[in-house]
Amino acid sequence: DAKTTQPPSMDCAEGRAANLPCNHSTISGNEYVYWYRQIHSQGPQYIIHGLKNNETNEMASLIITEDRKSSTLILPHATLRDTAVYYCIVRVANRDDKIIFGKGTRLHILP
Amino acid sequence: GAVVSQHPSRVICKSGTSVKIECRSLDFQATTMFWYRQFPKQSLMLMATSNEGSKATYEQGVEKDKFLINHASLTLSTLTVTSAHPEDSSFYICSARTSRYTDTQYFGPGTRLTVL
Repeated sequence: DAKTTQPPSMDCAEGRAANLPCNHSTISGNEYVYWYRQIHSQGPQYIIHGLKNNETNEMASLIITEDRKSSTLILPHATLRDTAVYYCIVRVANRDDKIIFGKGTRLHILP
Repeated sequence: GAVVSQHPSRVICKSGTSVKIECRSLDFQATTMFWYRQFPKQSLMLMATSNEGSKATYEQGVEKDKFLINHASLTLSTLTVTSAHPEDSSFYICSARTSRYTDTQYFGPGTRLTVL
């Protein structure tokens, strides 16, 4: 079973910041928060991951609450190409673990 | 970033035939590969995990005799759907990672299987 809860869908206007929430209230101390996205009929694409500090890369920012029970993925300037299903995943990230996908959030970027 | 390819990208076959899907890591050695299946409007479902040179570990409910997985080299894993039926029609996705950098897992583009 997925260890995360995400809203099933969200809309965001093109050019605005898209903020995607994720609850992971049972996260363990050694589990990372990962975000992937899947554009229609393609394989999942890695976006970002973090343990407890906020992270930023060229695609997005990841904000993790101090208690680590929730996080937010931020796409700073959403474009139509960001329309996809976004998956928030918690995992230990060692050689024995495997990525289990939940239902994710279907993000619609509106022109 | 690392690249994982799948072949074919799309396949249509008749019921009762077997279909082989290849997954290759193009610029790294994949000690572990994973196979997922995705039905329309659903999430990815993990089918099995395979480590190079050993037998695959199947998830509960996945028939190992129907979905044959071979991971004979560090850059190639194959999934063979044996005696395919229309209900096996799905989007099959592989992913790969190295043992050295276990936090990074790369996904292939997927293979669309349609069984008539």
